Amino acid sequence: GAVVSQHPSRVICKSGTSVKIECRSLDFQATTMFWYRQFPKQSLMLMATSNEGSKATYEQGVEKDKFLINHASLTLSTLTVTSAHPEDSSFYICSARKGGGGSGAYEQYFGPGTRLTVT
Amino acid sequence: GDSVTQMEGPVTLSEEAFLTINCTYTATGYPSLFWYVQYPGEGLQLLLKATKADDKGSNKGFEATYRKETTSFHLEKGSVQVSDSAVYFCALSDSNYGQNFVFGPGTRLSVLP
Repeated sequence: GAVVSQHPSRVICKSGTSVKIECRSLDFQATTMFWYRQFPKQSLMLMATSNEGSKATYEQGVEKDKFLINHASLTLSTLTVTSAHPEDSSFYICSARKGGGGSGAYEQYFGPGTRLTVT
Repeated sequence: GDSVTQMEGPVTLSEEAFLTINCTYTATGYPSLFWYVQYPGEGLQLLLKATKADDKGSNKGFEATYRKETTSFHLEKGSVQVSDSAVYFCALSDSNYGQNFVFGPGTRLSVLP
């Protein structure tokens, strides 16, 4: 149990276009989802936290108008990189948390990541 | 701010060799410490954790001890297998449940038959 998927696994887009990345909790309902970014040979950096049905909370330095996050249901969150540029090329990882108390309520379950390349 | 440092990889070992991946941290307060593993094409999976000083986390033959005096949480395994080949992330959190993570850069381990 507690599987998180991401789609696509890798995407190449042209500079100036927008790309959407999906994060799904496959066998549980996620009250909270997290989006991370990982540069080569660097740590995962938290970008934003989203709770189902409310606006995402962005970390300092993350442009909310550039990285649009939508957590419209308890099993799906999307990250849209708008007007992408080469410097947005990175590995994006989501995670999901069940919430609601009980065993495993607060543990984060991670997706496999999406590699974005902007040309 | 809080930070995690890991030994740089890649680490290449022969099967049945002893593994150590060093991890040190800087943090205010008393963080919980975690090791995550990422197998090729999969998400990060929690490998083990320790929530207070001198705690030892263990799982699947891996273990790590929370050393407050040296601010370390080194990962060890006595005899690695080819199936242990993966990227290992050390992380700290300001809660027992793994919220507000700070991750290390990851260490890639390759185990050769």
